Amino acid sequence: GAVVSQHPSWVICKSGTSVKIECRSLDFQATTMFWYRQFPKQSLMLMATSNEGSKATYEQGVEKDKFLINHASLTLSTLTVTSAHPEDSSFYICSVRWTGSVYEQYFGPGTRLTVT
Amino acid sequence: AQSVTQLDSQVPVFEEAPVELRCNYSSSVSVYLFWYVQYPNQGLQLLLKYLSGSTLVKGINGFEAEFNKSQTSFHLRKPSVHISDTAEYFCAVSVQYGQNFVFGPGTRLSVLP
Repeated sequence: GAVVSQHPSWVICKSGTSVKIECRSLDFQATTMFWYRQFPKQSLMLMATSNEGSKATYEQGVEKDKFLINHASLTLSTLTVTSAHPEDSSFYICSVRWTGSVYEQYFGPGTRLTVT
Repeated sequence: AQSVTQLDSQVPVFEEAPVELRCNYSSSVSVYLFWYVQYPNQGLQLLLKYLSGSTLVKGINGFEAEFNKSQTSFHLRKPSVHISDTAEYFCAVSVQYGQNFVFGPGTRLSVLP
């Protein structure tokens, strides 16, 4: 399987500020990465699909101007939460699509964002 | 579109007892099925997957699941649970090229001493 890292593992920021979360594929090149959000005691909801070298595809209801995704290299995708509000507090998880099998995804450890 | 149902939001079970976590799905096309485990404040770890072939799939940590196409189910089982199995379990489906997963709402397994 693939090894996926996220940084930071947790972050606290003030309302109105922006925070960047990194997702790295450590042992293979990932053309496609996914960003999920998980609220407490809920399931994962797909926010967007990040494709290397092109614009991300956002799911319905996700504000693309608020959640900026940059997939600048085959091993790194970043999610920037702009002008964060307390309701953006959540657990953000990225995943990479395993190129060895187009049906599989491997998940990062997640980033806990708390907006005060 | 696909959907996943996990009927049990919480399953308490005593240590060394067997457990079954239920998963049903709906889809108009063939699906690939996955079970993931999530420990507190951690990401998801793949337990097992069904892509094709044998309908009985064995995974890590002694878990197994059986794909039943007629009942559109993919229930997860373990014959004897440990305290360390306490976690959230998610069933997920994917179609074709794994563009995205559809996750079930999750089942909280609590193993009691």
